[in-house]
Amino acid sequence: EVQLVESGGGLVQPGRSLRLSCAASGFTFDDYAMHWVRQAPGKGLEWVSGISWNSGSIGYADSVKGRFTISRDNAKNSLYLQMNSLRAEDTALYYCAKDARIAARHPSGPIDYWGQGTLVTVSS
Amino acid sequence: DIQMTQSPSSVSASVGDRVTITCRASQGISSWLAWYQQKPGKAPKLLIYAASSLQSGVPSRFSGSGSGTDFTLTISSLQPEDFATYYCQQANSFPVTFGGGTKVEIK
Repeated sequence: EVQLVESGGGLVQPGRSLRLSCAASGFTFDDYAMHWVRQAPGKGLEWVSGISWNSGSIGYADSVKGRFTISRDNAKNSLYLQMNSLRAEDTALYYCAKDARIAARHPSGPIDYWGQGTLVTVSS
Repeated sequence: DIQMTQSPSSVSASVGDRVTITCRASQGISSWLAWYQQKPGKAPKLLIYAASSLQSGVPSRFSGSGSGTDFTLTISSLQPEDFATYYCQQANSFPVTFGGGTKVEIK
């Protein structure tokens, strides 16, 4: 059974940093691209970032480019999102998600498994 | 960036109704389109990928069609468990983008 468990969310002041982690199990982690997708309270889905299976291809939404960094550790079956210079508009539930395509050259989806999310609240 | 526009933003329907949701891409994306269902408090669920391929385990009342810029998700006979919000997503290029969502409500 595929499991994606996010951690690291919480309340943080504007301008500060936070690092999210995602522990993956139930599939061959280093065969698949991974994503972070967020959802602000009462709003729709927003793709944040994606990383290919070998970290060779990485993409970011314009709204986080230059502030967020995605990374993965295939030896630890883990995905990360380093979030710097946080803003109030980054407040959201952050989902870790698995790409459906094996060995995809670019992490562009579709997404076939999602975690339950970790809540990030940016407020003073 | 490719913009994804869904319509309608909400629809009221009854059990047994046929429901159609459309998604338009701001530029051609071939068949690189997926549809997701999200229920309140839950993570999204993949329904359709490659515009018209049904994800394993998804009921056959769900179907997708289209290519290029115009796509459709159809629920042939709405069931009580189908009341949810539906999102399209283009998988053609970075950045990945989602449509704004369509909420299917009980009439």
